[in-house]
This record gives sequence, structure tokens and C-alpha cells, in this order.
Amino acid sequence: AQKVTQAQTEISVVEKEDVTLDCVYETRDTTYYLFWYKQPPSGELVFLIRRNSFDEQNEISGRYSWNFQKSTSSFNFTITASQVVDSAVYFCALRLIYNQGGKLIFGQGTELSVKP
Amino acid sequence: KAGVTQTPRYLIKTRGQQVTLSCSPISGHRSVSWYQQTPGQGLQFLFEYFSETQRNKGNFPGRFSGRQFSNSRSEMNVSTLELGDSALYLCASSMRGNEQFFGPGTRLTVL
Repeated sequence: AQKVTQAQTEISVVEKEDVTLDCVYETRDTTYYLFWYKQPPSGELVFLIRRNSFDEQNEISGRYSWNFQKSTSSFNFTITASQVVDSAVYFCALRLIYNQGGKLIFGQGTELSVKP
Repeated sequence: KAGVTQTPRYLIKTRGQQVTLSCSPISGHRSVSWYQQTPGQGLQFLFEYFSETQRNKGNFPGRFSGRQFSNSRSEMNVSTLELGDSALYLCASSMRGNEQFFGPGTRLTVL
């Protein structure tokens, strides 16, 4: 069975601090996608990034960066110089490429609060 | 390009009633998935439709059903509502094999 664990339930930081959100996943499949989504108070899930299991190249996009390590089954997300607008719930998700169609398996989410 | 739209945005029903929620995907997207979000269970997959066929189903009772039309629009139905069905229902669309884009959700309250 597949599982995604986000051990941090809530994180509170002061604006301009860097913050890392942890994600650990479990699957026996060797081909899968990993995602990060952001859910602001409005409720809509906003897609941030997708990585596939055969591409461990880490990525930086503006203030966001992602660290994918298959050896530890982790896909962590870092926000540099956090801003109040980054306050939201962040979800990590897993999707198998060849099984279960488009089904996303989500972690429980990490609520990030950035205070001015 | 317009995003995923869901109607209605808010709904209040009483136990025993049934409800139908609607989702219009992004133009050109043929896959539509539904998710239920509750504080206790988090985000859970309900089902996925592709080209009018249910491709995958989550672990929900038969009271939850769905369908997809030829224009890719999708509906989900919940019959004999229970208090525990109160949740945010999210619809997502995607091009086959790519990332899913979510709508704003329908918040269902069962009294």
C-alpha cells in the first residue's frame, strides 16, 4: 500500500525566515510522481510542482526549492525568505504512474503560518 | 484559459436527502477526479473518470456515485446523506498523465 506522511502538523515562522516542509512517502512501485500543493484559506488546491521517480534532480523556482531523495523516500519543500502570503496548508501527494490511474494519495498536510 | 469550476460552492442538506455536485474541467482535459476533504480524514480520493468511463474508485460506500458526460463535465451524487458526509468536495481535471488542477470545491453541510 502507498502512504504519504507529513510529520509536521503546524509550523509558525516570522516573515523572512526560511522554512522546510517535510514529506516522506512509501510505495513498492518504482515509477511514480510526487507533488506539492498549496491550499490557501479560500480552499482551492494550487499545484506547485511535480517530480517523477526517475528524476532526482532538485529544483529551485524563485523562493521555492525542492529536495527529492529516493534513498530516504523524502520529498521536502523549502520556502526561502517566507512571506505572509505563504501562509496556507501545504500537501505532499503521491501518484503511481502505471497503476491506479490518476489517484493522488495525500499526506495530512502542514499548516504554515507566517507572521509579520 | 478558464480553470476548473464547481457548482454549487456551498450546500446545506439534511440527513437522508441526496445531493448532486457538478464539475466542469479545464478545456481539453478529459480526466476528472473527485476528492473528499474532512478535518479528520484529510483528502481522500473518491473516483476518477476518463472519457466517460470510471477508471478508478476509492474506498467509499455505494451511496457515492459519479458520472462523466461527453463534454468531460462530471457530476457526483451522494444519496441518503449522513452527518459524516459534511465535507469539502474537490474536483480536479488533468490531461492524461499530467498534474491535476483543482477547482474551488463545494462545501457540503449535512444537518
